[in-house]
Amino acid sequence: AQRVTQPEKLLSVFKGAPVELKCNYSYSGSPELFWYVQYSRQRLQLLLRHISRESIKGFTADLNKGETSFHLKKPFAQEEDSAMYYCALVGGGADGLTFGKGTHLIIQP
Amino acid sequence: NAGVTQTPKFQVLKTGQSMTLQCAQDMNHEYMSWYRQDPGMGLRLIHYSVGAGITDQGEVPNGYNVSRSTTEDFPLRLLSAAPSQTSVYFCASSYARDRENSPLHFGNGTRLTVT
Repeated sequence: AQRVTQPEKLLSVFKGAPVELKCNYSYSGSPELFWYVQYSRQRLQLLLRHISRESIKGFTADLNKGETSFHLKKPFAQEEDSAMYYCALVGGGADGLTFGKGTHLIIQP
Repeated sequence: NAGVTQTPKFQVLKTGQSMTLQCAQDMNHEYMSWYRQDPGMGLRLIHYSVGAGITDQGEVPNGYNVSRSTTEDFPLRLLSAAPSQTSVYFCASSYARDRENSPLHFGNGTRLTVT
């Protein structure tokens, strides 16, 4: 069974400080991993996916297969980064994404 | 191009009532799914469909039915509402054949309260 764990329900950091949202996964094959974000009063949307190796809004995430992790990082947090962040995994087969429970990121001024 | 449209936005039901949450997408996506979002539980998959005429159960299917008679529509039916079904429901779609590279597009959600 595939599982995604986000150990922090809430993460509060000051503006300008580095941010790291943790995500660990459990999957026997080669997973595809994503970060989704939900800003206040907006719909969930894709932030980034590991296959693209992209940086979006200053965020990056590296897949570490040895540690089965896909942590989301940003060197300097901005107030507009405050949102709910969900790590998600899609494995083989036809089923849907498996989401973590989410981390509420609050950036304090 | 409206994307994924969910109706209604809000709904209050009494225990035992039935209703259908509507979801439509105009992106010709083969894959559609329903999630519920609960505090501290994240998003949990209820049902999904990889194409018209095909549906399957997700993590928490009990108490819900779905059908997929067209590519565009994927309604979620609550047969006999219970307070435990109070939640925010999201419909999402993507291209099925390349789900690894195709992000999910979400609707705005339906906030359901069962009293």
